[in-house]
Amino acid sequence: GENVEQHPSTLSVQEGDSAVIKCTYSDSASNYFPWYKQELGKRPQLIIDIRSNVGEKKDQRIAVTLNKTAKHFSLHITETQPEDSAVYFCAATDSGSARQLTFGSGTQLTVLP
Amino acid sequence: DAGVIQSPRHEVTEMGQEVTLRCKPISGHDYLFWYRQTMMRGLELLIYFNNNVPIDDSGMPEDRFSAKMPNASFSTLKIQPSEPRDSAVYFCASSLGGSPGLVAFFGQGTRLTVV
Repeated sequence: GENVEQHPSTLSVQEGDSAVIKCTYSDSASNYFPWYKQELGKRPQLIIDIRSNVGEKKDQRIAVTLNKTAKHFSLHITETQPEDSAVYFCAATDSGSARQLTFGSGTQLTVLP
Repeated sequence: DAGVIQSPRHEVTEMGQEVTLRCKPISGHDYLFWYRQTMMRGLELLIYFNNNVPIDDSGMPEDRFSAKMPNASFSTLKIQPSEPRDSAVYFCASSLGGSPGLVAFFGQGTRLTVV
């Protein structure tokens, strides 16, 4: 089955700086890679996703890049703000037959004012 | 749509008691997932359904855990008997299959404490 590894487990940045979180996956059949943000005590919520037919996707201050050859994908947050502080999870799935998401272990991002 | 609805939000029970967690997926979604979240193990998929049929229950920890989906708008996760190590947040999520693919929407979760 799929194995997703996520790094780093904790990340602290100054407000206004950029944050990068990286994930690797094992199953070359995986073709859908979402990122979820989970604030303390709340549910995971989708913030951005990418499919294997593109290498990069951007939504305002958030971008995700995908390298299918190396089997890794990354989340980039620019101009970080205190409200970006949360746990971020990457995930991967084969959106064909498997359907279930395999999650990374999460990154606790803290944006320092 | 109110999103995925889970109940109860919090449950405290004594070891050995039966616990039932409930989930109402988003109307029209054909996939339903049960996850367990702990500090040690992160987000673990327990079981998922497609069109009310269990597809993969390999994540269910042991026979004490069971899940049902009697219709498209309701699912339950039951633990009998419960143990302290079952304490966790249990999330239900639903999604709509088919192209362009899978986006899972999570419920608010049920925080279970077994004492």
